Amino acid sequence: ILNVEQSPQSLHVQEGDSTNFTCSFPSSNFYALHWYRWETAKSPEALFVMTLNGDEKKKGRISATLNTKEGYSYLYIKGSQPEDSATYLCAFTLYGQNFVFGPGTRLSVLP
Amino acid sequence: ETGVTQTPRHLVMGMTNKKSLKCEQHLGHNAMYWYKQSAKKPLELMFVYNFKEQTENNSVPSRFSPECPNSSHLFLHLHTLQPEDSALYLCASSQDGLGGGSQETQYFGPGTRLLVL
Repeated sequence: ILNVEQSPQSLHVQEGDSTNFTCSFPSSNFYALHWYRWETAKSPEALFVMTLNGDEKKKGRISATLNTKEGYSYLYIKGSQPEDSATYLCAFTLYGQNFVFGPGTRLSVLP
Repeated sequence: ETGVTQTPRHLVMGMTNKKSLKCEQHLGHNAMYWYKQSAKKPLELMFVYNFKEQTENNSVPSRFSPECPNSSHLFLHLHTLQPEDSALYLCASSQDGLGGGSQETQYFGPGTRLLVL
């Protein structure tokens, strides 16, 4: 059974702070790592698909890095805003296999 | 707006009821998925359909019965559920879930919050 872990489980930051969280996954037979942002009562929204070791992706103030050899990905948010408050999910896949989601990191940005 | 809609958004049902959840995608995708999220647990895959054919049943009890009449619509028929089936049920779609499709982005609906009494 594949296990995907995310840390921390939750965090609270002040508006303007930068923050980061981690997704850990099995390092063997890696195929892809997906990041999603999920606001309460809305649909999970795709942020990034990462496939290559050393990948770095950026979307506005949010960026992500990938280390497939050690089995982790970091998600960074620069200058957090209240609208960044959401649960951030990562999903790991092997080739031809379906997503295995982590439990998520719940971020609260206080004004 | 992800292009995936789900109805109803909330559902309360008794253990002897029969109800159905509906999902519709307006993205022209060929793969559709049902996920379940129970309290304090990760999203858990239930079923996968590719080109209207079921390709994955993740050991889901038979009281959950999926139906995919065409590539745009997916149903989850519910019958004699248990209180522990209370959860958020999410539908998703992707362009083509076959083979190496796990690099594809899945687009999610907002979910149906189900309460079984």
